[in-house]
Amino acid sequence: GQQVMQIPQYQHVQEGEDFTTYCNSSTTLSNIQWYKQRPGGHPVFLIQLVKSGEVKKQKRLTFQFGEAKKNSSLHITATQTTDVGTYFCAADRGSTLGRLYFGRGTQLTVWP
Amino acid sequence: DTAVSQTPKYLVTQMGNDKSIKCEQNLGHDTMYWYKQDSKKFLKIMFSYNNKELIINETVPNRFSPKSPDKAHLNLHINSLELGDSAVYFCASSQTNTGELFFGEGSRLTVL
Repeated sequence: GQQVMQIPQYQHVQEGEDFTTYCNSSTTLSNIQWYKQRPGGHPVFLIQLVKSGEVKKQKRLTFQFGEAKKNSSLHITATQTTDVGTYFCAADRGSTLGRLYFGRGTQLTVWP
Repeated sequence: DTAVSQTPKYLVTQMGNDKSIKCEQNLGHDTMYWYKQDSKKFLKIMFSYNNKELIINETVPNRFSPKSPDKAHLNLHINSLELGDSAVYFCASSQTNTGELFFGEGSRLTVL
């Protein structure tokens, strides 16, 4: 069964609007990673969150890890057309070497 | 220099055929993976090798056989191809079991 729930599946925004995608797990996570996949491309690592309540920023992107380490979010402020792609969270439950559970991804479309 | 390279990029073949996809990483990583991405973009881990040793073998039909001749290479052989095997197969590597994944560009397999 699916280990990590990610919502929404699709998001269409006007350029300049904000965007948020959420990941939720029923179990406590060791860490969570975020990836971006451009259309026709391959997933590219964005960030890893390890600590409870951690917040990290990369320019217009803000990543959060919940206090209970069961959820995470990625927020993009003032989207640009270059933000188009699918954003995946990938959760590590810490139980098995290299077993990352990917969320189903959120496909972001940005209209100019 | 491409960090994780896989060949071929495209494969079109008939049902029942056997095909192989090769993957090489020049990052010096210890762990390599095969992921399958279906038409709905869902990324699912298939296999993981650490220093040529099989670590993860998800519920994958035994028609799929990975082989790791050395820690820089992880190949995937598929026997008796079926329509449902059509997908993009991504090779990836990581330095540690909790580290970021570096993905190859993917191999799009189409089974007719």
